[in-house]
Amino acid sequence: DTEVTQTPKHLVMGMTNKKSLKCEQHMGHRAMYWYKQKAKKPPELMFVYSYEKLSINESVPSRFSPECPNSSLLNLHLHALQPEDSALYLCASSHSSRVGSYEQYFGPGTRLTVT
Amino acid sequence: DAKTTQPTSMDCAEGRAANLPCNHSTISGNEYVYWYRQIHSQGPQYIIHGLKNNETNEMASLIITEDRKSSTLILPHATLRDTAVYYCIVRTHSGGGADGLTFGKGTHLIIQP
Repeated sequence: DTEVTQTPKHLVMGMTNKKSLKCEQHMGHRAMYWYKQKAKKPPELMFVYSYEKLSINESVPSRFSPECPNSSLLNLHLHALQPEDSALYLCASSHSSRVGSYEQYFGPGTRLTVT
Repeated sequence: DAKTTQPTSMDCAEGRAANLPCNHSTISGNEYVYWYRQIHSQGPQYIIHGLKNNETNEMASLIITEDRKSSTLILPHATLRDTAVYYCIVRTHSGGGADGLTFGKGTHLIIQP
């Protein structure tokens, strides 16, 4: 199974809402990632978790709150977002500390619209 | 990580080989060349990677010049389903591999019927 699943596929939320994005993988990967992709732009790294610990935060605003409850799950909690946060949110996973096998597997993304 | 330069867009006829160039003139000795692609409205997909030797898998071949300053991704028999944005990324394997990818603008490859 080389699949990364993300739910929901689409999400529309108001600026005062609280919502969560979910990502799941069962490949035994111990590194998981959140990327943000605006229209017609390349993906940009937001967070990296390694062995369920946050290892990289690319200066993301606190209205985005990541969580890694276990080695298979990654959540992104959203609160008080702005319309400019509308984007495709991509989750990825990869092996960690396994020489020569660092390719990342991406999910299909959640398309978020903030109204 | 070293910076890469790719053409903005390329066309290729269906059934022909698609050759996508990438310049990475500032690559360091411990940096690998990775290729990913992103088909419209999907997540990026890993294609292939290499350090200095040429590599081939079921999807593509990667040719890296001897001085490692450039590389070419080859899709041997392009199909319409290969239309996508192709990203060339240079990265190390330090940090246990748990570091993020830095995507450039990539090459929009359009396969023509």
